[in-house]
Amino acid sequence: DTEVTQTPKHLVMGMTNKKSLKCEQHMGHRAMYWYKQKAKKPPELMFVYSYEKLSINESVPSRFSPECPNSSLLNLHLHALQPEDSALYLCASSLRENTGELFFGEGSRLTVL
Amino acid sequence: GESVGLHLPTLSVQEGDNSIINCAYSNSASDYFIWYKQESGKGPQFIIDIRSNMDKRQGQRVTVLLNKTVKHLSLQIAATQPGDSAVYFCAENPGNFGNEKLTFGTGTRLTIIP
Repeated sequence: DTEVTQTPKHLVMGMTNKKSLKCEQHMGHRAMYWYKQKAKKPPELMFVYSYEKLSINESVPSRFSPECPNSSLLNLHLHALQPEDSALYLCASSLRENTGELFFGEGSRLTVL
Repeated sequence: GESVGLHLPTLSVQEGDNSIINCAYSNSASDYFIWYKQESGKGPQFIIDIRSNMDKRQGQRVTVLLNKTVKHLSLQIAATQPGDSAVYFCAENPGNFGNEKLTFGTGTRLTIIP
């Protein structure tokens, strides 16, 4: 299994809703990432988990809350989002933290109304 | 701050021809560079990487060249195919973190003309 699986593929939510994005990999990778990608823009790093511990938070607003329940799962909890948070949210994993070879999922496309 | 940039945002190439995608970087401390391909509706896919102690690295139909003197990186794709149509990003490790903190360039859209 060489896939990173993200659910849901599409999500529409209101500004008062609470929702979660989920990511799963079974490649034994020990680093997992959340990226945000706006249309026609490059991915922007949000969070990095290394060995299930948060190692990088790129000054992301607290309305985004990451969680790594175990080495295969990564969640992104969403609460009180703004319309400008609408974007493609990409999850990625890598075998270890000192490699640039990231395996990306297909992303969750989020629309905030 | 320093960033990775690209010379051309779009590139059209006839099928079967070779293509060259360029990338300029400004952080002289960067020591590791990666090319990613992103097809429509998909996440980025790793293509090839190169470390700063190398000038050239080859993969299957792809070659990455690194010129540290002018801080320039290029991706050459040989004998292009329709499946090569995608957005190509160069990414760099800024050198003061582990390689988990990559900075992506703005991207070049490559279109292969049948």
